[in-house]
Amino acid sequence: GESVGLHLPTLSVQEGDNSIINCAYSNSASDYFIWYKQESGKGPQFIIDIRSNMDKRQGQRVTVLLNKTVKHLSLQIAATQPGDSAVYFCAEKLNNAGNMLTFGGGTRLMVKP
Amino acid sequence: SAVISQKPSRDICQRGTSLTIQCQVDSQVTMMFWYRQQPGQSLTLIATANQGSEATYESGFVIDKFPISRPNLTFSTLTVSNMSPEDSSIYLCSVEDHGSAGVYSYEQYFGPGTRLTVT
Repeated sequence: GESVGLHLPTLSVQEGDNSIINCAYSNSASDYFIWYKQESGKGPQFIIDIRSNMDKRQGQRVTVLLNKTVKHLSLQIAATQPGDSAVYFCAEKLNNAGNMLTFGGGTRLMVKP
Repeated sequence: SAVISQKPSRDICQRGTSLTIQCQVDSQVTMMFWYRQQPGQSLTLIATANQGSEATYESGFVIDKFPISRPNLTFSTLTVSNMSPEDSSIYLCSVEDHGSAGVYSYEQYFGPGTRLTVT
C-alpha cells in the first residue's frame, strides 16, 4: 500500500462539509506560500499559492488564508468531495528564482461518504 | 505548467547496489530539484541542479552518496549509491517554472516520484 501519510495528523470530514487544514510556517522572511495535494502513488500537485502582500486568495472551491503576525497558513476546501482525500502540504519560500521550498509536516484529509 | 516524468516509477534493490533515477521535463527549465520523502514523512530537499554547474547539496546529503547529472535544460539524473534499507523512500524530481502570474511568479512542480525499496 501507499506509505505517504501513514504517520501524519488526520482530518476526517463528511462529504459536502467544508474542510480547514492548518499550517504553521517557520521563516518570518518567507514571502511566498504554496499548498500542495498529494494523492496516493503520485507526486505533490500544486493547488494554490499566496504572496505575503495578501492575506486571502480564492481559487475553485479552495481558499488560502495567510496570517503573517502568527506565521499561520490555512487551506479551506468548500463542499469537500471524496476526490479531495489526500495528504496536503504547505510550503514556504522566498519569492526569488531558485530559492528552496521548505515543506510543512502535512495533513491527511479523509472524506467520509 | 511543466509536465515531468520519472523513470523508474518504482524499484526493489539489494543493499550495496546503486540506482539511477531519470527525470524528464517537457520544457526547458533552469532550476531542477531532487527531494526525498521517507515513509509517512514530508518532503526534504536533497539538492538543486542547474544545467552547466555542480549540484548544490543540502545539509545531510553528499555528492558521493547522491551524484546528480544535469546535462541539459530538460533532463537530470539522481543516483542513490551503495544503498542501505534506510534509503528506502520516494524520490521526487521537481522543477521551477513561471506560474500563472507570469515572469514574476516561480511555481514549483513535481514529478510522480520513484518508489525505492532497499532489501
